[in-house]
Amino acid sequence: EAQVTQNPRYLITVTGKKLTVTCSQNMNHEYMSWYRQDPGLGLRQIYYSMNVEVTDKGDVPEGYKVSRKEKRNFPLILESPSPNQTSLYFCASSGPGNTIYFGEGSWLTVV
Amino acid sequence: AQSVTQLDSQVPVFEEAPVELRCNYSSSVSVYLFWYVQYPNQGLQLLLKYLSGSTLVKGINGFEAEFNKSQTSFHLRKPSVHISDTAEYFCAVSYGGATNKLIFGTGTLLAVQP
Repeated sequence: EAQVTQNPRYLITVTGKKLTVTCSQNMNHEYMSWYRQDPGLGLRQIYYSMNVEVTDKGDVPEGYKVSRKEKRNFPLILESPSPNQTSLYFCASSGPGNTIYFGEGSWLTVV
Repeated sequence: AQSVTQLDSQVPVFEEAPVELRCNYSSSVSVYLFWYVQYPNQGLQLLLKYLSGSTLVKGINGFEAEFNKSQTSFHLRKPSVHISDTAEYFCAVSYGGATNKLIFGTGTLLAVQP
């Protein structure tokens, strides 16, 4: 079954404590990306990756880092989280067929 | 700048009534159009998509949408809604024929009342 898996699904953390949200896909897709969803703003792209070792900024990259060492994994790193990064995060992957697959989402609260 | 507009933040409707959720996008030569649904505390599920061909697209759960190039719109419709259709609906567009990046609207909450 085609899947994009994110972990953790729910996390409460404190300001400044580094955290990583993992994302893995089993479809051998080249393109992966991260979005954040905020009330009244819809979803906005944070970072994307066209392939292994190729990453680039999306629309709201400040405060985030990513890496793409393997094709299947695309972790999102918050080096020093702040309360304005409290949000719902989605990982996505896409390949041939013009369909984007989303993970279940990760609820992150920074206090 | 490329953008997607969902003017209605919330649409209340009675069960079994028809509904239309509006979506407009900024003009472009080539677009792919999507509607996603998000049920409470869940992820995003693809309802339907327009890539090319017939401008009337049918999706899951009885929804359909019509691509109107002259009006740059992609409104979502359902002839008779159910309580279980209560959810947030997002319109999304990819520009230039690249489906990798989606520009999302701000979402419309469909609230179906008995």
